Amino acid sequence: GNSVTQMEGPVTLSEEAFLTINCTYTATGYPSLFWYVQYPGEGLQLLLKATKADDKGSNKGFEATYRKETTSFHLEKGSVQVSDSAVYFCALTQGGSEKLVFGKGTKLTVNP
Amino acid sequence: EPEVTQTPSHQVTQMGQEVILRCVPISNHLYFYWYRQILGQKVEFLVSFYNNEISEKSEIFDDQFSVERPDGSNFTLKIRSTKLEDSAMYFCASSEAPGSSGNTIYFGEGSWLTVV
Repeated sequence: GNSVTQMEGPVTLSEEAFLTINCTYTATGYPSLFWYVQYPGEGLQLLLKATKADDKGSNKGFEATYRKETTSFHLEKGSVQVSDSAVYFCALTQGGSEKLVFGKGTKLTVNP
Repeated sequence: EPEVTQTPSHQVTQMGQEVILRCVPISNHLYFYWYRQILGQKVEFLVSFYNNEISEKSEIFDDQFSVERPDGSNFTLKIRSTKLEDSAMYFCASSEAPGSSGNTIYFGEGSWLTVV
């Protein structure tokens, strides 16, 4: 079945550091790919998405590119802020199924 | 910005009791979902609901669970005869168009259920 694997956390960075959170997926066909973020005490919020190969999703300085050849959707940000501290979830959906399949989540802590 | 709202934010219940978790999806959305996250584990799909019926459900969503849209605004998850392993964060979600087509699914803040 479909699955998402993302790098184990927690990740701790200093402010203004470069962030990469790796995400790879297993799916038949062409899934849509998402990054959701959960700030402390809040629900899941969509951060960005990409629905076809080579698409780049971006939002709030975060980017991720849908790479079909490597089945990856790595999340990057050039300069993190303390306010980016949260748990980040990679997820996919695929035609024929309504469900979002999530990775385990990666906790990011950014220190001043 | 419109949001999905859930109540209660936290509920403690005794094993064997019935629990109803409530959700108000975004008003023009047509597709509704429940997910759960057991502490330290992945967020898992439970059920999707469209046009007043279940459109898809996971293996977790057995006879112990049911969903209902009792009026034009609420969407509920009922858990009968709760077990310790039902302790989890339950997320309600909604979307304007099918999630299967890559449309954005919006989540509520979750209802934390503790079964003792």
